[in-house]
Amino acid sequence: QKEVEQNSGPLSVPEGAIASLNCTYSDRGSQSFFWYRQYSGKSPELIMSIYSNGDKEDGRFTAQLNKASQYVSLLIRDSQPSDSATYLCAVNRAGGYNKLIFGAGTRLAVHP
Amino acid sequence: EPEVTQTPSHQVTQMGQEVILRCVPISNHLYFYWYRQILGQKVEFLVSFYNNEISEKSEIFDDQFSVERPDGSNFTLKIRSTKLEDSAMYFCASSWTGGGEKLFFGSGTQLSVL
Repeated sequence: QKEVEQNSGPLSVPEGAIASLNCTYSDRGSQSFFWYRQYSGKSPELIMSIYSNGDKEDGRFTAQLNKASQYVSLLIRDSQPSDSATYLCAVNRAGGYNKLIFGAGTRLAVHP
Repeated sequence: EPEVTQTPSHQVTQMGQEVILRCVPISNHLYFYWYRQILGQKVEFLVSFYNNEISEKSEIFDDQFSVERPDGSNFTLKIRSTKLEDSAMYFCASSWTGGGEKLFFGSGTQLSVL
């Protein structure tokens, strides 16, 4: 069983729509959850972090965490072509020194 | 805004050669990391470093790899005898704490082993 799973995509949405990205993880002891954006050939850039169940909003981005279902999601409202990138879900294991376990990423394409 | 800097941006080497990848973490950070990403694959943890010693390492980080903080600003990853499969983008990262806080990634070094 993969530790962090994401749909590889591509997820194609029109400009202005809501993009919904999902991630599941296998380690029930995971404590910290992150969404990174990665443009081709570039380094991961942190978009959101979430640590407790529920929703966390930051501008156009909302992260949702459900530890019982071992599920993390990212909503991007009013999607822009510049949001087109690969979105990486990362999970920090309990007790790990920021040993992030990354998913393979979901490629998002926002078309005008 | 402070950032993690990595040099060189590209490194080409022959199989069996030693390479050193260099990083300057954010100045007040205490925890340092190396991750790598083989083309088309996921980002993988290699090693974390705190208080001048390795705090955790992955199965990938075998005896061919070593890390060092030679002075107060640099953090290096050495690969003693490179293999073809070491070709990847290597990312350095740093954080203020080690307990689930966000990581700041450098722009990466693309290593190509021929």
